[in-house]
Amino acid sequence: AQTVTQSQPEMSVQEAETVTLSCTYDTSENNYYLFWYKQPPSRQMILVIRQEAYKQQNATENRFSVNFQKAAKSFSLKISDSQLGDTAMYFCAFRSNFGNEKLTFGTGTRLTIIP
Amino acid sequence: NAGVTQTPKFRVLKTGQSMTLLCAQDMNHEYMYWYRQDPGMGLRLIHYSVGEGTTAKGEVPDGYNVSRLKKQNFLLGLESAAPSQTSVYFCASSYRAFEAFFGQGTRLTVV
Repeated sequence: AQTVTQSQPEMSVQEAETVTLSCTYDTSENNYYLFWYKQPPSRQMILVIRQEAYKQQNATENRFSVNFQKAAKSFSLKISDSQLGDTAMYFCAFRSNFGNEKLTFGTGTRLTIIP
Repeated sequence: NAGVTQTPKFRVLKTGQSMTLLCAQDMNHEYMYWYRQDPGMGLRLIHYSVGEGTTAKGEVPDGYNVSRLKKQNFLLGLESAAPSQTSVYFCASSYRAFEAFFGQGTRLTVV
């Protein structure tokens, strides 16, 4: 079974700074998808970024980018020029490309942006 | 475009009572999921479905049942609620291996 580990329960950073959230996963598969979801205080789950394992290029969405290290099974999220609206829980998630019904989540990192 | 809609948003139950949570999606997605979210534990999969008429167990299925009689709806039932089932419940849907879309969540308290 796949597992997803987020080792940082809480983080805080000053507004406009850069912060990196860590995620590692365990799988024996070669083809899979990785996701970062954001959950603000409103409780809504919002997709931040997606990475396909077969793509070597790291995904980027505006201020959000990932560092995908397939051999190390690491998938970190970098938030540049952090804003107050980035304050949220962030969840890393894994989905296999084979028998891909299940989406497995980590335990989350609570990020606080300090004004 | 409603996306994924959960009903109700809040509920308080007494121990032993039963209830059904309804999830409806209008994106014609094949896959649907029920998760529970508890502090420090992330989202844990309760049950899921890969198509109309199919269901399967996730990580924490005990005490819950599900049904998917129509492609757009996925029901989660609690037959005899227990305080340990106090949680926030999320429904999600997806098209195969692509990203999942989530409902707004249901906060359930069992007293």
